Amino acid sequence: GAGVSQSPRYKVAKRGQDVALRCDPISGHVSLFWYQQALGQGPEFLTYFQNEAQLDKSGLPSDRFFAERPEGSVSTLKIQRTQQEDSAVYLCASSLGGRDYEQYFGPGTRLTVT
Amino acid sequence: DAKTTQPPSMDCAEGRAANLPCNHSTISGNEYVYWYRQIHSQGPQYIIHGLKNNETNEMASLIITEDRKSSTLILPHATLRDTAVYYCIVRVGGDKIIFGKGTRLHILP
Repeated sequence: GAGVSQSPRYKVAKRGQDVALRCDPISGHVSLFWYQQALGQGPEFLTYFQNEAQLDKSGLPSDRFFAERPEGSVSTLKIQRTQQEDSAVYLCASSLGGRDYEQYFGPGTRLTVT
Repeated sequence: DAKTTQPPSMDCAEGRAANLPCNHSTISGNEYVYWYRQIHSQGPQYIIHGLKNNETNEMASLIITEDRKSSTLILPHATLRDTAVYYCIVRVGGDKIIFGKGTRLHILP
């Protein structure tokens, strides 16, 4: 069946540009997570949605980062005025929600800010 | 900070069992031990998880010590496709994942 998909797979942005990264979770999955993975590091949590509600955004590094999931399915991570330190792979994961459910990850979007 | 300690890298001969250790001495009673792996240029992939009993599935076995302070992931017959970074994580199910640096497993032909 279809897994988590993300688009675009690769994005190059000039410093100062705004970008929008899309995540299509597995159909029916209640929970959706965004992670940021710098080169050579493990993924780091950014934010978490349960349906359309953003329950945890403690990992967002600055107010330039904004995420939404207006209808409880597709989610968009937006980064305003991109900086070079924003260069990373952005991973989306979804799960059925509740306890004892694993997260299924998408392939990620590699963002390069020049 | 990650609540687990893993060796940064390990080698294993193809066809042999790969045993990946993990220390989690501060694990709480309601936290599960999860293992994920990340093959190059892919998103992390769930492998297995357990609370206190040993677990086995089609991918691997998970052995958790009686005091739950450490565990071992066992890939019974490693292949070249098992080359990846393996992450040991402790978490309450459904919660965000806090990844550490993981163990980079090299399968040698």
